[in-house]
Amino acid sequence: AQTVTQSQPEMSVQEAETVTLSCTYDTSESDYYLFWYKQPPSRQMILVIRQEAYKQQNATENRFSVNFQKAAKSFSLKISDSQLGDAAMYFCGAGGTSYGKLTFGQGTILTVHP
Amino acid sequence: NAGVTQTPKFQVLKTGQSMTLQCAQDMNHNSMYWYRQDPGMGLRLIYYSASEGTTDKGEVPNGYNVSRLNKREFSLRLESAAPSQTSVYFCASRALLNTEAFFGQGTRLTVV
Repeated sequence: AQTVTQSQPEMSVQEAETVTLSCTYDTSESDYYLFWYKQPPSRQMILVIRQEAYKQQNATENRFSVNFQKAAKSFSLKISDSQLGDAAMYFCGAGGTSYGKLTFGQGTILTVHP
Repeated sequence: NAGVTQTPKFQVLKTGQSMTLQCAQDMNHNSMYWYRQDPGMGLRLIYYSASEGTTDKGEVPNGYNVSRLNKREFSLRLESAAPSQTSVYFCASRALLNTEAFFGQGTRLTVV
């Protein structure tokens, strides 16, 4: 079984401040990868960041970074120096390499206030 | 570079009608996926094809069938549409099982 849970339906942040989006997952696979995608109002799905589960080092991409806690099966996304363009729905996803299943969570709507 | 192309972009069906959603990718990807997106429910996996010639059920397969026609194309069929199938449908593909997925623009389907 493979599940992804995002427990924050909505979050808000002031422009230039930092916000953290939470995600927990469960998988029976030993080799897996974790993803955060952004979906703006255009509905386009955009990859934000990717984490290999075998790597202890947390992935970073400019203002975006993750806090990957493998034992706790937690994969949170931190957005620093938030910008108006960061406002979107964010999806956390998990994919194992044995069976090919790629599962996503319920999504978190992020609002950025000027 | 078209990426992942879904057709149609919008569709209205009457209850009981059938239709097929088409998905094609031009990136030579091995794996393809169908999801539905509903408010509060996120992205739920309907069916996927880890490689050409294989298909597997996801979280919500009931009422749907799929065909991996070839490496490029993966279609989703609704045999007898129901109002509960009103949703936005996304197709996605990825090269390998450790790489990112690329998504189509989605199909908004309304069943009345």
